[in-house]
Amino acid sequence: QVQLVESGGGVVQPGRSLRLSCAASGFTFSYYAMHWVRQAPGKGLEWVAVIYYDGSNKYYADSVKGRFTISRDKSKNTLYLQMNSLRAEDTAVYYCARGSDDVWQQLVPNFDYWGQGTLVTVSS
Amino acid sequence: QSALTQPRSVSGSPGQSVTISCTGTSSDVGGYNYVSWYQQNTGKAPKLMIYDVSKRPSGVPDRFSGSKSGNTASLTISGLQSEDEADYYCCSYAGSYTLGVFGGGTKLTVL
Repeated sequence: QVQLVESGGGVVQPGRSLRLSCAASGFTFSYYAMHWVRQAPGKGLEWVAVIYYDGSNKYYADSVKGRFTISRDKSKNTLYLQMNSLRAEDTAVYYCARGSDDVWQQLVPNFDYWGQGTLVTVSS
Repeated sequence: QSALTQPRSVSGSPGQSVTISCTGTSSDVGGYNYVSWYQQNTGKAPKLMIYDVSKRPSGVPDRFSGSKSGNTASLTISGLQSEDEADYYCCSYAGSYTLGVFGGGTKLTVL
């Protein structure tokens, strides 16, 4: 069965860095676009970043552009989110989600599987 | 991208139908047939309920249906059940080279 397991969250000071991981299993990881979506405490969902199935394209929300980097390692079936220059407003639960395996629909928001989420708290 | 507009809350009694709207622009909802809906229970990850405006993943009851008219998409839940009480979010594709956008979420209360 499809499983996505995030890790790497925690408490970090403003301006510092953190790297999140999402271990995928139960499907052919290299066929699918993968996404990061976050949810601040008590708030709605925000699409953070996407990486194409082959890593060829990456897109980011304006709120994280230039600070966050999404990447993937097909040998480890793992998705990453490198977060630099963290701010208080980055405090959220971060979910990884599986996207499309259609090469023409890599940006289509059909997230059929989600991880359980990992909490990132940015505070001094 | 600005968030799509959803009502903050809706409610209905068991057995009734409710509809949740999701209003965007011609650059997102109105421009493409790629709107999805997610159900989220407190403390849980979201669950895909509708994709491509009106398609249901396997395992989602046919009480859930989606539609779109112009710049507004809608999720209708018929035969409301207590377990439907949750937060619901819409999400739309917004074209090439950019991420799409979520709605602000709607809390459904089953009276």
